[in-house]
Amino acid sequence: DAKTTQPPSMDCAEGRAANLPCNHSTISGNEYVYWYRQIHSQGPQYIIHGLKNNETNEMASLIITEDRKSSTLILPHATLRDTAVYYCIVRAGGTSYGKLTFGQGTILTVHP
Amino acid sequence: KAGVTQTPRYLIKTRGQQVTLSCSPISGHRSVSWYQQTPGQGLQFLFEYFSETQRNKGNFPGRFSGRQFSNSRSEMNVSTLELGDSALYLCASRQDWGSTEAFFGQGTRLTVV
Repeated sequence: DAKTTQPPSMDCAEGRAANLPCNHSTISGNEYVYWYRQIHSQGPQYIIHGLKNNETNEMASLIITEDRKSSTLILPHATLRDTAVYYCIVRAGGTSYGKLTFGQGTILTVHP
Repeated sequence: KAGVTQTPRYLIKTRGQQVTLSCSPISGHRSVSWYQQTPGQGLQFLFEYFSETQRNKGNFPGRFSGRQFSNSRSEMNVSTLELGDSALYLCASRQDWGSTEAFFGQGTRLTVV
């Protein structure tokens, strides 16, 4: 799996958009970008994933650059409950999605 | 639909003992993966089971083992416990082999003293 690089921490004001970047410059053509988050003392929670097109669901949007070397997770209206560690993971298609390689992630703190 | 259930939630063991942790996946899910989370190493993959067979294994010593039953429930066992095995052990289930979304349980917090 390609290595990912995320900032160790970020802050966001409640109600504003939170934009979490991820670099994956060695990503290959069949690798997907996944985002999970982990709220303190809970198991990780799936957020979204994509290959090359931008994706949106009820939780977030995922913007992947045209060269696919980086992506941004957008939480459009952050709330205090979005305070968590956010993990960007690159995973090859055709292999098991049950084996995820987590990095250190980004600690997002949403403040009032 | 109930989520992934891990038991027990908390456990304290002594060095040298062994421990068995249990994971019940979401009903209908057939794949179970196990992870270890420590402050120093973060989240690390242990192994994955599908249809009662181990399909992937992480880089952990042989003291760590697991199995999956015909009802998809899974157990992991750690023998000859060491202080460094103190961690949060997380289980994740997926509906099928090709499913992309993993659902995690709350974890079992193991403390070795």
